[in-house]
Amino acid sequence: EPEVTQTPSHQVTQMGQEVILRCVPISNHLYFYWYRQILGQKVEFLVSFYNNEISEKSEIFDDQFSVERPDGSNFTLKIRSTKLEDSAMYFCASSPDTSSYEQYFGPGTRLTVT
Amino acid sequence: GQSLEQPSEVTAVEGAIVQINCTYQTSGFYGLSWYQQHDGGAPTFLSYNALDGLEETGRFSSFLSRSDSYGYLLLQELQMKDSASYFCAVMGNSNYQLIWGAGTKLIIKP
Repeated sequence: EPEVTQTPSHQVTQMGQEVILRCVPISNHLYFYWYRQILGQKVEFLVSFYNNEISEKSEIFDDQFSVERPDGSNFTLKIRSTKLEDSAMYFCASSPDTSSYEQYFGPGTRLTVT
Repeated sequence: GQSLEQPSEVTAVEGAIVQINCTYQTSGFYGLSWYQQHDGGAPTFLSYNALDGLEETGRFSSFLSRSDSYGYLLLQELQMKDSASYFCAVMGNSNYQLIWGAGTKLIIKP
C-alpha cells in the first residue's frame, strides 16, 4: 500500500540554524500539507500546497518557513532560523483531490532545537 | 476565530461502547473529520461527515448535526488496540485546511 515517507525521523539542530525536512507524498496525490505537533498537544496546520503554490497557510507559517516541491516526488519544509519553540513533531500529509478531509500522514520528523 | 472542543480523556472497558463528542465554532463549514493517533505515531483517518447523520465504518461510526455544530465518534466492541488519542478536525473557511481539536485520550481497561 502506498504511503507518505519523511526524512529524517529525528533532527537535532542548534538555535538559529536552518533545517530542511523532507517528505515524499503518495505518488498520485495532488495536495500536500505540513502540520506540527508539540509534544502532548494538538495537531496544528501550517500550510497546504497545490499546483506548485501555497493554497493556504496559518499564522504559524511566517517568513521563517518556506515550502518547495523541487522535483516530481519530494516536498520540503524549510525553517530558516530555528527557535527553541520550533521543537515539535512535523508531519507531512497528502490527499488525492480537493476533498482534504481524508489526508494520509507520514510518520513525522521530530525536530529538537537546542 | 475557529475552535473545536472535545473531552481531554475518556475511560472505558474492553468490549464496551464509547462516544467521543466534538463541538465546533467556525465561520464556514465543509465537514467534520475524525483521526486516530497512537502514542508516537502519525494521525490516521477514520471518518468524515459533510451532511447530517450517521456514517458507519465497521466498529466505528461518526455522527454530525450541523444545526448544533456537534458531532461524535462512536467506537463499539472496544479492543485494547483502540487505546489512542482521537481528534476531530473541521474544514471550516477553506477546504484546503483542517483545523484540529485538542484530542481525546481514550483509555481502555480490561
